[in-house]
Amino acid sequence: GQQVMQIPQYQHVQEGEDFTTYCNSSTTLSNIQWYKQRPGGHPVFLIQLVKSGEVKKQKRLTFQFGEAKKNSSLHITATQTTDVGTYFCAGPTSGTYKYIFGTGTRLKVLA
Amino acid sequence: DAGVIQSPRHEVTEMGQEVTLRCKPISGHDYLFWYRQTMMRGLELLIYFNNNVPIDDSGMPEDRFSAKMPNASFSTLKIQPSEPRDSAVYFCASSLSYGGAGYEQYFGPGTRLTVT
Repeated sequence: GQQVMQIPQYQHVQEGEDFTTYCNSSTTLSNIQWYKQRPGGHPVFLIQLVKSGEVKKQKRLTFQFGEAKKNSSLHITATQTTDVGTYFCAGPTSGTYKYIFGTGTRLKVLA
Repeated sequence: DAGVIQSPRHEVTEMGQEVTLRCKPISGHDYLFWYRQTMMRGLELLIYFNNNVPIDDSGMPEDRFSAKMPNASFSTLKIQPSEPRDSAVYFCASSLSYGGAGYEQYFGPGTRLTVT
């Protein structure tokens, strides 16, 4: 079945350093979503990418969808303690609204 | 809007007991999803509904799990009988479909289930 993997699994950074998480799907995706889950919280939608090669920015966050629409990345510039949490990508099974969530990357920011 | 509402927030029960988790989606949303999150398996989709009709229940682990959506504002996930391996956080999420391009899911706060 469809699999969505993320690397790294964990990342510890000093506050102010940059952070990147990568998402790879075993199948081509029509779109990809990113979510953030704070410790003890629930996933919160960040963004959706639809077009091949698409790049979107939200303040210090940059999201990219690969040309082949099988991979994506999230880059955070100058991390802050508020960025702590687990970042998930999610992609739909072909032809359905069934989204498969990636394994997640847990980010810890050291002040 | 109050967002997706789930109850109870915490549930501790003994093995063999029936457990019912409840969800109220955001008004007007036509998709409802039930997820389970554990350290070992991550975030798994159990079942989802469209306009109150179950569309895909392939993620339901076994016959002990059942879900219903009797109307647009209420859904339940029932486990009977419960087992210790069912311990997890169960999330309900809802979304509004549009244009076939996808949609964002709004998650509830979750129910933390502990089966002893």
